[in-house]
Amino acid sequence: DADVTQTPRNRITKTGKRIMLECSQTKGHDRMYWYRQDPGLGLRLIYYSFDVKDINKGEISDGYSVSRQAQAKFSLSLESAIPNQTALYFCATSQGVQPQHFGDGTRLSIL
Amino acid sequence: SQQGEEDPQALSIQEGENATMNCSYKTSINNLQWYRQNSGRGLVHLILIRSNEREKHSGRLRVTLDTSKKSSSLLITASRAADTASYFCATENSGGSNYKLTFGKGTLLTVNP
Repeated sequence: DADVTQTPRNRITKTGKRIMLECSQTKGHDRMYWYRQDPGLGLRLIYYSFDVKDINKGEISDGYSVSRQAQAKFSLSLESAIPNQTALYFCATSQGVQPQHFGDGTRLSIL
Repeated sequence: SQQGEEDPQALSIQEGENATMNCSYKTSINNLQWYRQNSGRGLVHLILIRSNEREKHSGRLRVTLDTSKKSSSLLITASRAADTASYFCATENSGGSNYKLTFGKGTLLTVNP
């Protein structure tokens, strides 16, 4: 089983819909992150959480919100999806300042 | 904004050859990391080099860091078709109170059999 699991793996939806992407981990790591990847732009940080009561905005948080429901779960929401949020979304975890471990991503298409 | 910039954007070599990818960054760092991404998969951590280190090895990987030039290189020796992937550098910037990584745009490496 994967240590960092993202659901769904693929999602197609329409403009204006609310969407939630979920991430769960079995590694017991305290820190969790959400990134988006666009062709030619690399990964950009959306939100990160250092523990259950800690949520921080990243580089591109506008239009997104997150919830850290438990140490093992970190969800990303798009309240009203727009086409330029079409991208590949990755969740990652780390224990303290150790290197990050990534899930296999959610491919999101907004029509 | 991107911190690391990889060069070249794409590299195509024959199996058995060495592959060198470069990363430049703009601000002071605590460490620099290299990650690999196979098509359709998440990133996998390869190696971390701290700001007070100049060179590090891991198997067929060799990473160098030149903080005076704000640059790093990743060398993969005796490449294999399975090394085909995108490679990203990521920096942990110094001076902040939070640990965050800033990723570059990546180098797409193709190793031809």
